[in-house]
Amino acid sequence: DGGITQSPKYLFRKEGQNVTLSCEQNLNHDAMYWYRQDPGQGLRLIYYSQIVNDFQKGDIAEGYSVSREKKESFPLTVTSAQKNPTAFYLCASRWEGADTQYFGPGTRLTVL
Amino acid sequence: QKEVEQNSGPLSVPEGAIASLNCTYSDRGSQSFFWYRQYSGKSPELIMFIYSNGDKEDGRFTAQLNKASQYVSLLIRDSQPSDSATYLCAVNRRGRRALTFGSGTRLQVQP
Repeated sequence: DGGITQSPKYLFRKEGQNVTLSCEQNLNHDAMYWYRQDPGQGLRLIYYSQIVNDFQKGDIAEGYSVSREKKESFPLTVTSAQKNPTAFYLCASRWEGADTQYFGPGTRLTVL
Repeated sequence: QKEVEQNSGPLSVPEGAIASLNCTYSDRGSQSFFWYRQYSGKSPELIMFIYSNGDKEDGRFTAQLNKASQYVSLLIRDSQPSDSATYLCAVNRRGRRALTFGSGTRLQVQP
């Protein structure tokens, strides 16, 4: 199957813990993105990466970190510095030269 | 002023009617425009994209773009209860390699 996978689907975190969300794609897409969605709101950009070993901060990068060691993978770490991490996290990807982004199924993170 | 604005709704239409969803954007240099559908608890799925002024049709969906007035709309003909979802407008602003999303319009199609 081709597509974008995210794991886990649901994640529970205690305050003060770091957690890592996985995003993998086998579409041979060049660019990958992380968005956050809060209830009743649109998507806000956390980080994006256009090529391996390079990434840029989005609009709400504070308290998050990423890596892009392989083209297929773009994991997101939610650190303890993120004050309000409970949200729906969406990973997306696209081909270079095309604007259309495609989304993974998402990870719902809840801080207990 | 938000970069991409949508009426949050809910927009309620009877089954079989035309649903009209609107979106305005602030960056006049924006180059491409997207409509995504998002069911509750699910991730967004692409419906249509449009780059040029005018209309673009795909089945029951028509996207309309007016760059001079900085708005883009989505028409859904013969609305079905299965169309009930939140519709997100997204814009690719000049010089930015990520989409900027509106907060979405919730559509309810009444059987």
